[in-house]
Amino acid sequence: SQQGEEDPQALSIQEGENATMNCSYKTSINNLQWYRQNSGRGLVHLILIRSNEREKHSGRLRVTLDTSKKSSSLLITASRAADTASYFCATDKYSGGYQKVTFGTGTKLQVIP
Amino acid sequence: DTEVTQTPKHLVMGMTNKKSLKCEQHMGHRAMYWYKQKAKKPPELMFVYSYEKLSINESVPSRFSPECPNSSLLNLHLHALQPEDSALYLCASSLPGGDEQYFGPGTRLTVT
Repeated sequence: SQQGEEDPQALSIQEGENATMNCSYKTSINNLQWYRQNSGRGLVHLILIRSNEREKHSGRLRVTLDTSKKSSSLLITASRAADTASYFCATDKYSGGYQKVTFGTGTKLQVIP
Repeated sequence: DTEVTQTPKHLVMGMTNKKSLKCEQHMGHRAMYWYKQKAKKPPELMFVYSYEKLSINESVPSRFSPECPNSSLLNLHLHALQPEDSALYLCASSLPGGDEQYFGPGTRLTVT
Protein backbone atom coordinates (compact mmCIF):
# COMPACT_ATOMS: atom_id res chain seq x y z
CA SER A 1 0.00 0.00 0.00
CA GLN A 2 1.16 3.52 -0.71
CA GLN A 3 -0.57 4.88 2.37
CA GLY A 4 1.48 7.42 4.28
CA GLU A 5 2.14 7.35 7.95
CA GLU A 6 1.73 10.54 9.89
CA ASP A 7 3.05 11.52 13.23
CA PRO A 8 2.13 12.49 15.74
CA GLN A 9 -1.29 10.83 15.69
CA ALA A 10 -2.53 13.60 17.97
CA LEU A 11 -1.18 17.00 18.93
CA SER A 12 -2.46 19.49 21.48
CA ILE A 13 -1.04 23.03 21.59
CA GLN A 14 -1.92 26.46 22.91
CA GLU A 15 -3.24 29.13 20.60
CA GLY A 16 -0.39 31.10 19.09
CA GLU A 17 2.07 28.21 19.12
CA ASN A 18 3.31 26.48 16.00
CA ALA A 19 2.17 22.99 15.01
CA THR A 20 4.31 20.57 13.02
CA MET A 21 3.05 17.36 11.47
CA ASN A 22 5.13 14.81 9.62
CA CYS A 23 4.26 12.41 6.86
CA SER A 24 6.23 9.48 5.46
CA TYR A 25 5.27 7.54 2.36
CA LYS A 26 6.48 4.42 0.63
CA THR A 27 6.68 4.81 -3.14
CA SER A 28 7.63 7.50 -5.65
CA ILE A 29 5.07 10.26 -6.09
CA ASN A 30 3.97 12.96 -8.52
CA ASN A 31 2.75 15.35 -5.86
CA LEU A 32 2.13 15.43 -2.16
CA GLN A 33 -0.88 17.26 -0.86
CA TRP A 34 -2.21 18.22 2.55
CA TYR A 35 -5.90 18.27 3.42
CA ARG A 36 -7.80 19.36 6.53
CA GLN A 37 -10.95 17.72 7.86
CA ASN A 38 -13.11 19.27 10.50
CA SER A 39 -14.83 16.77 12.75
CA GLY A 40 -16.59 14.19 10.56
CA ARG A 41 -17.01 16.51 7.60
CA GLY A 42 -15.57 16.84 4.10
CA LEU A 43 -11.91 17.45 3.41
CA VAL A 44 -10.50 20.80 2.35
CA HIS A 45 -7.40 21.06 0.20
CA LEU A 46 -4.66 23.10 1.86
CA ILE A 47 -1.53 22.95 -0.23
CA LEU A 48 0.24 20.88 -2.87
CA ILE A 49 3.96 20.39 -3.32
CA ARG A 50 5.38 18.80 -6.44
CA SER A 51 8.05 16.13 -6.37
CA ASN A 52 10.65 18.57 -7.75
CA GLU A 53 9.94 21.18 -5.07
CA ARG A 54 11.49 21.24 -1.61
CA GLU A 55 9.47 23.88 0.20
CA LYS A 56 6.25 25.78 -0.31
CA HIS A 57 4.39 28.46 1.63
CA SER A 58 0.75 29.47 1.72
CA GLY A 59 -0.28 32.01 4.35
CA ARG A 60 0.49 30.44 7.74
CA LEU A 61 1.30 27.08 6.17
CA ARG A 62 4.75 25.85 5.27
CA VAL A 63 5.29 22.48 3.64
CA THR A 64 8.58 20.73 3.03
CA LEU A 65 9.27 17.67 0.94
CA ASP A 66 12.29 15.39 1.03
CA THR A 67 11.91 12.82 -1.71
CA SER A 68 15.14 11.07 -0.75
CA LYS A 69 13.65 10.31 2.66
CA LYS A 70 10.11 9.99 1.31
CA SER A 71 8.86 12.42 3.90
CA SER A 72 7.03 15.71 4.17
CA SER A 73 6.15 18.08 6.98
CA LEU A 74 3.38 20.62 7.46
CA LEU A 75 4.02 23.59 9.73
CA ILE A 76 1.15 25.78 10.87
CA THR A 77 2.44 28.98 12.42
CA ALA A 78 0.65 31.12 15.00
CA SER A 79 -2.11 28.56 15.43
CA ARG A 80 -5.71 29.53 16.11
CA ALA A 81 -8.57 27.65 17.74
CA ALA A 82 -10.15 27.40 14.27
CA ASP A 83 -7.18 25.27 13.15
CA THR A 84 -8.50 22.43 15.34
CA ALA A 85 -9.07 19.60 12.87
CA SER A 86 -7.53 16.43 11.47
CA TYR A 87 -4.80 16.89 8.88
CA PHE A 88 -4.02 14.31 6.21
CA CYS A 89 -1.15 14.09 3.81
CA ALA A 90 -2.02 12.56 0.46
CA THR A 91 0.10 11.20 -2.34
CA ASP A 92 -1.28 11.10 -5.82
CA LYS A 93 -0.77 9.46 -9.16
CA TYR A 94 -2.28 11.16 -12.15
CA SER A 95 -3.74 8.89 -14.80
CA GLY A 96 -5.33 10.47 -17.85
CA GLY A 97 -8.14 12.62 -16.52
CA TYR A 98 -8.22 11.67 -12.86
CA GLN A 99 -5.99 11.29 -9.83
CA LYS A 100 -5.64 8.29 -7.62
CA VAL A 101 -5.09 9.77 -4.16
CA THR A 102 -3.94 7.79 -1.15
CA PHE A 103 -4.32 9.43 2.23
CA GLY A 104 -2.02 9.11 5.20
CA THR A 105 -3.18 8.07 8.63
CA GLY A 106 -3.77 11.66 9.77
CA THR A 107 -2.84 13.91 12.68
CA LYS A 108 -5.55 15.20 14.97
CA LEU A 109 -4.68 18.74 16.05
CA GLN A 110 -6.29 20.48 18.99
CA VAL A 111 -5.57 24.17 19.50
CA ILE A 112 -6.53 25.33 22.97
CA PRO A 113 -7.73 28.95 23.23
CA ASP B 1 -20.63 27.54 -7.80
CA THR B 2 -17.55 26.02 -6.15
CA GLU B 3 -19.01 23.30 -4.03
CA VAL B 4 -19.81 19.63 -4.07
CA THR B 5 -23.17 18.77 -2.52
CA GLN B 6 -24.17 15.41 -1.07
CA THR B 7 -27.55 14.14 -0.02
CA PRO B 8 -28.72 12.92 2.36
CA LYS B 9 -26.52 14.15 5.23
CA HIS B 10 -27.50 11.21 7.38
CA LEU B 11 -28.97 7.84 6.44
CA VAL B 12 -30.05 4.92 8.60
CA MET B 13 -30.95 1.77 6.76
CA GLY B 14 -31.64 -1.84 7.50
CA MET B 15 -29.68 -4.67 5.95
CA THR B 16 -32.50 -5.50 3.53
CA ASN B 17 -33.10 -1.94 2.34
CA LYS B 18 -32.14 -0.34 -0.96
CA LYS B 19 -31.05 3.28 -0.81
CA SER B 20 -28.98 5.72 -2.86
CA LEU B 21 -26.49 8.43 -2.07
CA LYS B 22 -26.30 11.43 -4.36
CA CYS B 23 -23.44 13.77 -5.20
CA GLU B 24 -23.59 16.84 -7.42
CA GLN B 25 -21.13 19.46 -8.67
CA HIS B 26 -21.43 22.25 -11.20
CA MET B 27 -17.77 23.19 -11.53
CA GLY B 28 -17.24 21.46 -14.85
CA HIS B 29 -15.16 18.75 -13.22
CA ARG B 30 -14.97 15.57 -15.28
CA ALA B 31 -13.53 13.27 -12.61
CA MET B 32 -15.69 12.21 -9.66
CA TYR B 33 -14.80 9.99 -6.74
CA TRP B 34 -16.42 8.00 -3.95
CA TYR B 35 -14.51 7.46 -0.70
CA LYS B 36 -15.42 5.55 2.44
CA GLN B 37 -14.16 6.77 5.79
CA LYS B 38 -14.45 4.82 9.02
CA ALA B 39 -14.10 6.59 12.36
CA LYS B 40 -10.56 7.79 13.12
CA LYS B 41 -9.29 6.45 9.79
CA PRO B 42 -8.31 8.17 6.55
CA PRO B 43 -10.65 8.16 3.55
CA GLU B 44 -10.30 5.09 1.34
CA LEU B 45 -10.95 5.29 -2.38
CA MET B 46 -13.86 3.21 -3.64
CA PHE B 47 -14.62 4.33 -7.19
CA VAL B 48 -13.39 6.84 -9.76
CA TYR B 49 -15.36 8.08 -12.75
CA SER B 50 -13.56 9.95 -15.51
CA TYR B 51 -15.67 11.52 -18.26
CA GLU B 52 -18.68 9.54 -16.98
CA LYS B 53 -16.87 6.21 -17.36
CA LEU B 54 -15.89 4.01 -14.44
CA SER B 55 -12.10 4.10 -14.31
CA ILE B 56 -11.32 2.59 -10.92
CA ASN B 57 -13.19 0.10 -8.75
CA GLU B 58 -11.05 -0.64 -5.72
CA SER B 59 -12.43 -4.17 -5.30
CA VAL B 60 -15.57 -2.84 -3.70
CA PRO B 61 -18.29 -5.43 -2.89
CA SER B 62 -21.14 -5.54 -5.38
CA ARG B 63 -23.61 -4.38 -2.75
CA PHE B 64 -22.23 -0.93 -3.62
CA SER B 65 -23.15 0.10 -7.16
CA PRO B 66 -21.94 3.44 -8.54
CA GLU B 67 -23.59 5.36 -11.34
CA CYS B 68 -22.62 8.52 -13.19
CA PRO B 69 -25.68 9.63 -15.21
CA ASN B 70 -24.05 12.85 -16.42
CA SER B 71 -20.97 14.98 -15.87
CA SER B 72 -22.49 16.73 -12.83
CA LEU B 73 -24.04 13.86 -10.96
CA LEU B 74 -22.71 10.79 -9.18
CA ASN B 75 -24.82 8.23 -7.37
CA LEU B 76 -23.98 5.34 -5.09
CA HIS B 77 -26.68 2.68 -4.91
CA LEU B 78 -26.73 0.60 -1.76
CA HIS B 79 -28.31 -2.81 -1.35
CA ALA B 80 -28.08 -5.51 1.31
CA LEU B 81 -25.44 -3.69 3.28
CA GLN B 82 -23.79 -5.01 6.42
CA PRO B 83 -23.36 -3.21 9.74
CA GLU B 84 -19.62 -2.90 9.03
CA ASP B 85 -20.50 -0.72 6.04
CA SER B 86 -21.52 2.03 8.46
CA ALA B 87 -19.20 4.95 7.72
CA LEU B 88 -18.93 8.44 6.31
CA TYR B 89 -19.21 8.34 2.52
CA LEU B 90 -17.44 11.20 0.81
CA CYS B 91 -17.78 12.35 -2.76
CA ALA B 92 -15.11 14.43 -4.50
CA SER B 93 -14.49 15.91 -7.92
CA SER B 94 -11.56 17.33 -9.84
CA LEU B 95 -10.73 19.00 -13.13
CA PRO B 96 -9.15 16.94 -15.89
CA GLY B 97 -5.45 17.36 -15.20
CA GLY B 98 -6.26 19.09 -11.95
CA ASP B 99 -4.34 18.38 -8.79
CA GLU B 100 -6.87 19.35 -6.18
CA GLN B 101 -9.94 17.36 -5.26
CA TYR B 102 -13.01 19.16 -4.00
CA PHE B 103 -14.90 17.23 -1.36
CA GLY B 104 -18.53 17.25 -0.38
CA PRO B 105 -19.57 17.24 3.29
CA GLY B 106 -20.30 13.52 3.24
CA THR B 107 -23.20 11.23 4.07
CA ARG B 108 -23.11 9.58 7.48
CA LEU B 109 -24.48 6.06 6.90
CA THR B 110 -25.60 3.74 9.66
CA VAL B 111 -26.60 0.18 8.80
CA THR B 112 -28.74 -1.53 11.43
